[in-house]
Amino acid sequence: DQQVKQNSPSLSVQEGRISILNCDYTNSMFDYFLWYKKYPAEGPTFLISISSIKDKNEDGRFTVFLNKSAKHLSLHIVPSQPGDSAVYFCAASVVVTDKLIFGTGTRLQVFP
Amino acid sequence: NAGVTQTPKFRILKIGQSMTLQCAQDMNHNYMYWYRQDPGMGLKLIYYSVGAGITDKGEVPNGYNVSRSTTEDFPLRLELAAPSQTSVYFCASSSDGLNQPQHFGDGTRLSIL
Repeated sequence: DQQVKQNSPSLSVQEGRISILNCDYTNSMFDYFLWYKKYPAEGPTFLISISSIKDKNEDGRFTVFLNKSAKHLSLHIVPSQPGDSAVYFCAASVVVTDKLIFGTGTRLQVFP
Repeated sequence: NAGVTQTPKFRILKIGQSMTLQCAQDMNHNYMYWYRQDPGMGLKLIYYSVGAGITDKGEVPNGYNVSRSTTEDFPLRLELAAPSQTSVYFCASSSDGLNQPQHFGDGTRLSIL
């Protein structure tokens, strides 16, 4: 039972344009959501997070949107840069459990 | 500025052998985690610890053991290696559970043949 789903295994975007990565979840108890970025042969690095009491969080070029009624969150990257090419993981948790549930990842390729 | 350090980076084991994956963090974090990532899959939690002397099971603990005798170190033990344990293993730490982001090591790629 995959509680956190990233249905697009890959995404290709031209440099300068917007990248939109999507994530769906099934557990309505999740109250904290994160995005991690992973380069090959490295560990994931934290990108941005959002609490369930918010519907948007912004950090520079990165914005995360949360739609609780649809159980959907998305990561927007504007403008996309070649250095953004990586695998992006969505993760969710019920904070009091101290456990993160990860999606399967979306590989983003930003081309010139 | 080491952060989370995992050793070894690569290892090949024979079925039935045992080994310990090492994880050390120098950020004085209370929380530490072990994950495995299989090809095309997300990270799955094996074990975690909320402080020295305290450990608990995650989603996929079978076949593994952990200990947390110090704040800095959180080794993962495979007692009888099986091909199903072929994976990339990541250790992570955070200062205050999920209110703070987890910092990951670069992983240990383990093959069981």
